[in-house]
Amino acid sequence: QKEVEQNSGPLSVPEGAIASLNCTYSDRGSQSFFWYRQYSGKSPELIMSIYSNGDKEDGRFTAQLNKASQYVSLLIRDSQPSDSATYLCAVNLSAGNKLTFGGGTRVLVKP
Amino acid sequence: EAGVAQSPRYKIIEKRQSVAFWCNPISGHATLYWYQQILGQGPKLLIQFQNNGVVDDSQLPKDRFSAERLKGVDSTLKIQPAKLEDSAVYLCASSMTTDTQYFGPGTRLTVL
Repeated sequence: QKEVEQNSGPLSVPEGAIASLNCTYSDRGSQSFFWYRQYSGKSPELIMSIYSNGDKEDGRFTAQLNKASQYVSLLIRDSQPSDSATYLCAVNLSAGNKLTFGGGTRVLVKP
Repeated sequence: EAGVAQSPRYKIIEKRQSVAFWCNPISGHATLYWYQQILGQGPKLLIQFQNNGVVDDSQLPKDRFSAERLKGVDSTLKIQPAKLEDSAVYLCASSMTTDTQYFGPGTRLTVL
């Protein structure tokens, strides 16, 4: 079992719809969770961090964390073509205090 | 505030040659990371420095990869000799704590 797992996609959503991305992790002691966006040929860019159970909203992005079920999700509301990218889930695993990344979910927003 | 700087941006070498990458972190960031990102995969941590000390190098192929961070600021990552499977983007990141990390533009390495 991979430490951080994501569906590779592509997740195709029409413009204006909600994109829902999921990530599961194996280490129950993990405390910090991050979503990075990576455009093709570019480096990862931090868009959200979440540390407590529940929802955290920032503009059109909402991160959701459920530590009991060991998953973290990202919702993108009113999806735009500019949101087309790969979204990387990263977890600060309790052992070693370092970020472990999932393989990423590719999102395609179609006009 | 200047971001993480990396050079070169692109490098093409033949297998068995050596190559070096340079990274300058965001000013004041004590922690520096080197990641390898193979096409279609997420970044994989190679080595983590706290100031000029190594915190984690468990996934660094030490028979061919080496890294140093003299004076606790900029860092170099070296591969000698390179293999075909080393073709990847090498990302440098920095953080003030071991939490939120900011990435540089990366170096795309092609090994022929």
